[in-house]
Amino acid sequence: DSGVTQTPKHLITATGQRVTLRCSPRSGDLSVYWYQQSLDQGLQFLIQYYNGEERAKGNILERFSAQQFPDLHSELNLSSLELGDSALYFCASSAQPGGTYNEQFFGPGTRLTVL
Amino acid sequence: AQKVTQAQTEISVVEKEDVTLDCVYETRDTTYYLFWYKQPPSGELVFLIRRNSFDEQNEISGRYSWNFQKSTSSFNFTITASQVVDSAVYFCALSEADNAGNMLTFGGGTRLMVKP
Repeated sequence: DSGVTQTPKHLITATGQRVTLRCSPRSGDLSVYWYQQSLDQGLQFLIQYYNGEERAKGNILERFSAQQFPDLHSELNLSSLELGDSALYFCASSAQPGGTYNEQFFGPGTRLTVL
Repeated sequence: AQKVTQAQTEISVVEKEDVTLDCVYETRDTTYYLFWYKQPPSGELVFLIRRNSFDEQNEISGRYSWNFQKSTSSFNFTITASQVVDSAVYFCALSEADNAGNMLTFGGGTRLMVKP
């Protein structure tokens, strides 16, 4: 158990809908990362937050947004969902924002299915 | 830009065989970190190893060993005497020290099937 929790574990929804994925980092970790694992794109970095502020952005679609709250949990919002958004979404956390490496601990993932 | 290539998409071996998973990376940074993760059928990502760019010493952990060669930009992973429980998708990943957030760039993964 990495100490990172993600809810829900599974999510099934329809095209055009909006969903929110939630992540709680390990105790004491200030940085949260979101990754998407899809058949088409593989495992790719979406976005990172550190202590409530956006730190780095990857290949995140404009229909997707994220935030990190004062209690350090993070939410990934996916809107106007398309079939291609079906994927496994991972959250990871680390103690520091970057620079000297800090190990990232991955949550169990949320499997999103868009029908 | 950083890139990780795992040319082997799928490997099938019989139990007790040795198997090597290849990983080739590209980066302009002189300081970077390399990783291997295991993703079993249950889906979670299990951290296996991290290597710093300035430490080319090979590492062995039980049946697992890693060969890091900067000259060929490779970080290969060998499983000795494979077991059925080793069946999983294995990902190699790279993180550059200079990027703001240390985000990981993953290779496409290698699916390893170990048959009894």
